Parts: sequence; C-alpha cells; structure tokens
Amino acid sequence: GAVVSQHPSRVICKSGTSVKIECRSLDFQATTMFWYRQFPKQSLMLMATSNEGSKATYEQGVEKDKFLINHASLTLSTLTVTSAHPEDSSFYICSARAYRKNNSPLHFGNGTRLTVT
Amino acid sequence: GESVGLHLPTLSVQEGDNSIINCAYSNSASDYFIWYKQESGKGPQFIIDIRSNMDKRQGQRVTVLLNKTVKHLSLQIAATQPGDSAVYFCAENTGNQGGKLIFGQGTELSVKP
Repeated sequence: GAVVSQHPSRVICKSGTSVKIECRSLDFQATTMFWYRQFPKQSLMLMATSNEGSKATYEQGVEKDKFLINHASLTLSTLTVTSAHPEDSSFYICSARAYRKNNSPLHFGNGTRLTVT
Repeated sequence: GESVGLHLPTLSVQEGDNSIINCAYSNSASDYFIWYKQESGKGPQFIIDIRSNMDKRQGQRVTVLLNKTVKHLSLQIAATQPGDSAVYFCAENTGNQGGKLIFGQGTELSVKP
C-alpha cells in the first residue's frame, strides 16, 4: 500500500519551454503533497507544500511563478516548471502523506529527471 | 528550500559487518524522525521511524537510536548486505509546520562483498 506514482520519469526539453510533472497517490488520499528537488550528490531540498483545494506554500527562495503547483484532487498534484532553463535541470521528487496523518512517513514517487538543453 | 548541509559523506563496510550511520538534526522542536534509503535514480524508500517520546526502535535488521539531548539520530544496520548499498537520509518533522519533512545531509553506504 501507500504507492505514489510520478510521471514522467525522465524528460528532456528545450530552454524556454514548460514541463509538467504529475504526482498521484494510487491507493490513498493525500490532503498534502510535497515537492522536493535534488541535485547530484546532495540532499533533498523542499520546494513547496501542495494543499488540496488551496494555494501551495513555497519555501524561501523558491519562485512560485516559475514552479507552478496545482493540487486539484486528493490524489493528484502537478508541478509545472515554466520557461525552463538549463539551471532548472534536476531530479524532482514528489511525496504524499495519508489524509490526516501528520506524524506518519511520507511516501515518495520515483522522481522525474529533468534535463533542459 | 530548506536542507541541512550539502555534503555527502561516505561509509564503506564489509559484507556481514554492522553499519552505523549518524545524523545531527537541527530543530529541538522536531517530534518525529524517519530514516530513508535512496538508490540511484529512485525516490527515497522508508526504512524506520521513531517518535520523540522514544529513544530506541528496532525493525528487521535495523535499529534507530534517538538522543534528544544532543539532537542526534543514528541508524544501525545489522549484517550489512550488498543490497544495502545506497544513500541514507534522516528526516525530521516539526509538528507545527504542517507535517513537512526536512532532510539531513545523507550518507552513502558502500558494502564490499
């Protein structure tokens, strides 16, 4: 149980284009999903907290107009990297926690490797 | 975004030996801690968790120790196997921040056969 599916697993795009990444909780409802970014040989950095039916909460230094988050249902959150540039190339990972279980593990997707050329 | 440190220390052990991975967490108000294992190109995988009202918890081949006095967490892996080779992260949850997890620096474990 507690499977989080992320799509696509890899994407290559040209500079200036936008890329959408989907995160789905397959067998549970997730009021809150979290988006992380990870550079090679580094830790996961929290980008934003995605709340179903409301605006996302962004961490300090993360541009909300560049990284658009939509959490339209209890099982789906999307991250859109707008006007992508090579420095946005990274490993993006989403996670979700079961509804109303704040002190429980986050379940992670398998990440999306974004390469901007 | 928040993160604790940018370095990735490494630990190399012989197959069959016990491994101890350490982590210093940042927030004394954190009330819940998790260890994750991350293999190359994949998302983190849950290993074991512990709440702040405990100082030790055991799972299958793994033990987590929590020392709140010095804000230190450790993961012990018994009889380490080649399949345990991965990067291990500790993560802390501060309950008053909407349940978000902040990850520690990570340790790369390499198991030699």
